[in-house]
Amino acid sequence: EVQLVESGGGLVQPGGSLRLSCGASGFTFSKYWMSWVRQTPGKGLEWVANIKEDGSEKDYVDSVKGRFTISRDNAKNSLYLQMNSLRAEDTGVYYCARADRYYWGQGTLVTVSS
Amino acid sequence: EIVMTQSPATLSVSPGERATLSCRASQSVSSNLAWYQQKPGQAPRLLIYGASTRATGIPARFSGSGSGTEFTLTISSLQSEDFAVYYCQQYNNWPYSFGQGTKLEIK
Repeated sequence: EVQLVESGGGLVQPGGSLRLSCGASGFTFSKYWMSWVRQTPGKGLEWVANIKEDGSEKDYVDSVKGRFTISRDNAKNSLYLQMNSLRAEDTGVYYCARADRYYWGQGTLVTVSS
Repeated sequence: EIVMTQSPATLSVSPGERATLSCRASQSVSSNLAWYQQKPGQAPRLLIYGASTRATGIPARFSGSGSGTEFTLTISSLQSEDFAVYYCQQYNNWPYSFGQGTKLEIK
């Protein structure tokens, strides 16, 4: 059974940082592009970032470029999202997803507030 | 960025009836269009990809059609578990983009 389990969400002040993690199981992690998708009160669903199987290619939506970094560790079957310079509009639920859209985690809530 | 527009925002339909949801892209996305179902507190669930291909395990009452800029999701005979929010998403151009959703509610 495919499972994606996110962790690392929480409350952070504006300008702060947070690192999200996603543990994958039930499929050959190293053979798939992976993604982070978020759902915010302001913009709804937004596909935030993609990363290629070997980590050599990454895509970011403009709203997070220069602030967020997607990465992966294939040896640990794990996906990460380093989020810096957080803003109130980054508040929402962050989902880890296989980039073919088939599998999603349950989400982790990020709240940016003072 | 491609803007996806869904209509209507809310659709009220009785169980057993047909529901038709629309999605329009601001420019052609070919057939690179997916539909998702989302229930409260849950992640989106993939229903349709490639505009018309049902994902594994999705009942045959769900069907997708269209290409280019106009797409439709049809649910042929609504079951109680189908009342949810539905999103379309294009993955033809980066950044991938979603519609704002159609809430399907019980009439």
